[in-house]
Amino acid sequence: KAGVTQTPRYLIKTRGQQVTLSCSPISGHRSVSWYQQTPGQGLQFLFEYFSETQRNKGNFPGRFSGRQFSNSRSEMNVSTLELGDSALYLCASSLGSDRANYGYTFGSGTRLTVV
Amino acid sequence: AQSVAQPEDQVNVAEGNPLTVKCTYSVSGNPYLFWYVQYPNRGLQFLLKYITGDNLVKGSYGFEAEFNKSQTSFHLKKPSALVSDSALYFCAVRVISFNKFYFGSGTKLNVKP
Repeated sequence: KAGVTQTPRYLIKTRGQQVTLSCSPISGHRSVSWYQQTPGQGLQFLFEYFSETQRNKGNFPGRFSGRQFSNSRSEMNVSTLELGDSALYLCASSLGSDRANYGYTFGSGTRLTVV
Repeated sequence: AQSVAQPEDQVNVAEGNPLTVKCTYSVSGNPYLFWYVQYPNRGLQFLLKYITGDNLVKGSYGFEAEFNKSQTSFHLKKPSALVSDSALYFCAVRVISFNKFYFGSGTKLNVKP
């Protein structure tokens, strides 16, 4: 079966612009989580969506937002981009969260560079 | 609070030798522990997990990990390293109620021929 698909793979934006990243989960998965990976901060949780509802949010400013559609696809938006937003953004999908052994599959990520 | 520590930024090992990548954790409640591997410009690939049961967990590509509750550790091991094992390894603890992972800082494994 198809894995988690993130588009685009690479993106270059200018400071002050906004960007939207997309994540298509594995078919049947209803939970999508987003992570930011940077050399300095490592992997940090952004937020998690389940059945179109945001259930959890990490410690990021309001410039970072997301949503999930009825087909479970998720988008992440970053407004007023800063140089420090340059990172690899990873999404992961899962059937849900109430079972410890639910798989959690990551996409290949979107590499965002802010110049 | 949940946290994961990987005390080594880098581990160097010769091909054919055993390898260990260390991980310690701090969780309230039952720990659900995972290891992931990341190759350059790629996402995270699942290696293995501990949910319950046997303390020795076997995973993909010949890796295994030992859950030690008294030492709150979950070290990743492989009996014989391959050059192709060179990558970035992350230990993580999963908080079930929030479907959220806390990741360690990562350990870069270098396997030399």
